[in-house]
Amino acid sequence: AQTVTQSQPEMSVQEAETVTLSCTYDTSESNYYLFWYKQPPSRQMILVIRQEAYKQQNATENRFSVNFQKAAKSFSLKISDSQLGDTAMYFCASHSGNTGKLIFGQGTTLQVKP
Amino acid sequence: ETGVTQTPRHLVMGMTNKKSLKCEQHLGHNAMYWYKQSAKKPLELMFVYNFKEQTENNSVPSRFSPECPNSSHLFLHLHTLQPEDSALYLCASSQGTSGRAHTGELFFGEGSRLTVL
Repeated sequence: AQTVTQSQPEMSVQEAETVTLSCTYDTSESNYYLFWYKQPPSRQMILVIRQEAYKQQNATENRFSVNFQKAAKSFSLKISDSQLGDTAMYFCASHSGNTGKLIFGQGTTLQVKP
Repeated sequence: ETGVTQTPRHLVMGMTNKKSLKCEQHLGHNAMYWYKQSAKKPLELMFVYNFKEQTENNSVPSRFSPECPNSSHLFLHLHTLQPEDSALYLCASSQGTSGRAHTGELFFGEGSRLTVL
């Protein structure tokens, strides 16, 4: 079975600084994708970044990058130059390429402080 | 116009009421999902529909009844709910659920906040 664990319920960071959100997952499949989604307060969830498990290179999207450690089943999100608009709940998710299921972690609430 | 629209945004109902949540997607996707989001818990996958056919029922109680009349619309019919069913119900869509066309990305609506008294 797929599981996703986010061990940091809440985090805070000063504006313009860097923060890393942790995520570990478990899956028996070889074909899967990993995601970070962002859910701003009272707004819809949107995709931040995606990583294909077969790719060794870490995905990056502007200020967002991941540290994908496949052997350790770790998938952390680094946000550089944090902005006030980054304040949101962040969900790590694992997608099975075989079953199509997207399984989410518990979420990490990030507060960016001015 | 957002890609995935959910109505109502807020709903308060008694345990004996019958109500429905509606979801509509304008993205040309063929798969639609219902998730339940409760405080301090992971998002729970409830139902998956692909080309109008239910492909996943994640052991959801029968007081939740989904309906997918076409690939663009998804309903969640609610009856005799319990207070612990109070949560944010999220609808999402995607291009398929597996295979080459499916990137794994889901597109979410803003959710329907349900309170059961």
